[in-house]
Formats: sequence, C-alpha cells, structure tokens
Amino acid sequence: TAGITQAPTSQILAAGRSMTLRCTQDMRHNAMYWYRQDLGLGLRLIHYSNTAGTTGKGEVPDGYSVSRANTDDFPLTLASAVPSQTSVYFCASSEIRGSSNQPQHFGDGTRLSIL
Amino acid sequence: AQSVTQPDIHITVSEGASLELRCNYSYGATPYLFWYVQSPGQGLQLLLKYFSGDTLVQGIKGFEAEFKRSQSSFNLRKPSVHWSDAAEYFCAVGAYNQGGKLIFGQGTELSVKP
Repeated sequence: TAGITQAPTSQILAAGRSMTLRCTQDMRHNAMYWYRQDLGLGLRLIHYSNTAGTTGKGEVPDGYSVSRANTDDFPLTLASAVPSQTSVYFCASSEIRGSSNQPQHFGDGTRLSIL
Repeated sequence: AQSVTQPDIHITVSEGASLELRCNYSYGATPYLFWYVQSPGQGLQLLLKYFSGDTLVQGIKGFEAEFKRSQSSFNLRKPSVHWSDAAEYFCAVGAYNQGGKLIFGQGTELSVKP
C-alpha cells in the first residue's frame, strides 16, 4: 500500500545517545514534515522540507536535525537525546502546488522514550 | 501567526446521538482548514478539508464541517455517532503561500457510550 513508512515503531534510548528516526514515502510528494505529539499539546512541527535539498525549522526545532537528500527520504536525528524528547514522532508528506495547501499524509509514528 | 483552539479536551456521546466538535482559528486571511482523526496507535487520517467555495464540506465516514468566517470557526459534525468513531480528532489550519505547513489544535478525545 502506498504511503509513509516510519522506523522504528518504538525505541527506548539512554539520555545522551544519538538516534535517527527514518521516514520514507512512495507518493513522490515534494514536501515532508516531522511532528512530535505530546499529551495536551497536539502535534507540533519540528522541521519541514518543501523540496529535496531544502529544509526549514518548525515550531520546536531545538535538539533535532533533518536532511533531505532525495524526494523519498526525510530522516530526523537526535544528536544527544534528553528526557524531554520523549514523545511520539510522526512523519508526514504533502504535495505543494504553487501556493495551495494540499492535505498531509501521515505515517503511523515512532514512540520514543528517553531514559 | 495562525493558531487553532479546540475548546473541548474530551467529549462523551451516546451511540446514535449527534456530535459537534468545536474548532476556532486565528488567521488574518482565508485559511485552509482540515479535520483529522487519530485512532489509538495510528497516524492521522484526513476526514475533510476546506480550501474555498461552499462553506459546508462533506468528508469521509459521514462527517461534515462548516466554515463560518464571522465566527472564525470550523466545527465538525456527525448526525449519528457510531462506536467506531471513538478516537482523537484534530483541527488544523494552513496559510496561503506558506508551503504545506499546518498548525494543529490540541485535539478532542471522543468517547462513545453504548
């Protein structure tokens, strides 16, 4: 089934360690996004990429980095994890056509616990 | 800057009853508006969207929403709720000419009583 694949589905990580969350889409969407979901706060945008080779900061970018080497992949890296980064992380993609705002498609998420 | 408020954190309705989930947004121009649903352990699924035109939009699973510019609202409705509708619902707003970025509300958790 076409869509977004996130890996791993869950992970427990020691504080101070690094971790890369993987995200791959097969819809050839030009834009991709990373969100974190925390109880009572909804989804908050971490980083985004409107096209391969470009990235931008979202609402909560500190402690995270991304790259967009090609259209399909958009990995999220935590260089040195801290407990406040315990969250559920969602990757999404959409097609940007001019100035219009097409719906985003979401992966099933990665549940990350930092101890 | 845009913002979205979902005033109800948790709502419980009886199966077969009608449902309305509230969403208020803040944006200076005409926004793009979305409702998503999230079942436990799943990602978000698009229910419906408003870009322009008819202010009453129909979505999947029997849901509809009405854009009211004067009230800055985009409330989600369903005439008869099914037990399978129990989930978390998110309203989101996007802005013209800001790529695909969305701002999400805090979410409303819906419980359905038998």
